[in-house]
Amino acid sequence: QVQLKETGPDLVQLTQTLSITCTVSGFSLTTYNVHWVRQPPGKGLEWMGAMWNGGGTDYNSAFKSRLSISRDTSKSQVFLKMNSLQTDDTAKYFCARRVNYYSGFDYWGQGVMVTVSS
Amino acid sequence: NIVMTQSPKSMSISVGDRVTMNCKASQNVYNNIAWYQQKPGQSPKLLIYYASNRYNGVPDRFTGSGYGTDFTLTINSVQAEDAAFYYCQRIYNSPFTFGSGTKLEIK
Repeated sequence: QVQLKETGPDLVQLTQTLSITCTVSGFSLTTYNVHWVRQPPGKGLEWMGAMWNGGGTDYNSAFKSRLSISRDTSKSQVFLKMNSLQTDDTAKYFCARRVNYYSGFDYWGQGVMVTVSS
Repeated sequence: NIVMTQSPKSMSISVGDRVTMNCKASQNVYNNIAWYQQKPGQSPKLLIYYASNRYNGVPDRFTGSGYGTDFTLTINSVQAEDAAFYYCQRIYNSPFTFGSGTKLEIK
């Protein structure tokens, strides 16, 4: 069955780099897009960026200068790296799958809660 | 960038009532809207895609409608388990902006 699972640190120091891995199963990264979404505590959802099935990427301009998304198709993994972390980057980070242009995000990981500490 | 504005921010409804919540896009997004339900501590769940298509397994009391800039999610005969946050999202192309959400409480 389709699954996505995020793994990453609970705590990151101010100004450091965040690295999170999304490991997927039940589908191929060369067929489906994987997106990253975050949610600060008590707040709404924010789209961060995407890894397209063809290998390209797309980013929310709010993060463009410090966000990088990559993948390893042989390991069915998508990676998020974001540098220069600030306290307002404290959030739960989700990866999610999108099927095609007309669909929403149909499967989500459980998310990983990351706290940026000073 | 397109801004998605949801209203109301919160609502309190009795079981069995009908509820309507709104999502307004700052530009024409055609049919390209999805709706999600998120309960505390859980990941969002896809309810509706392409404005009015119910996702697999979603109860038929959930209905999406609208086109262009104005969209609505209606829940007929609300159940206790429908207490959650509801988010709209622009789909089709980037940026895949979410609305700020509507909190549905059950009296």
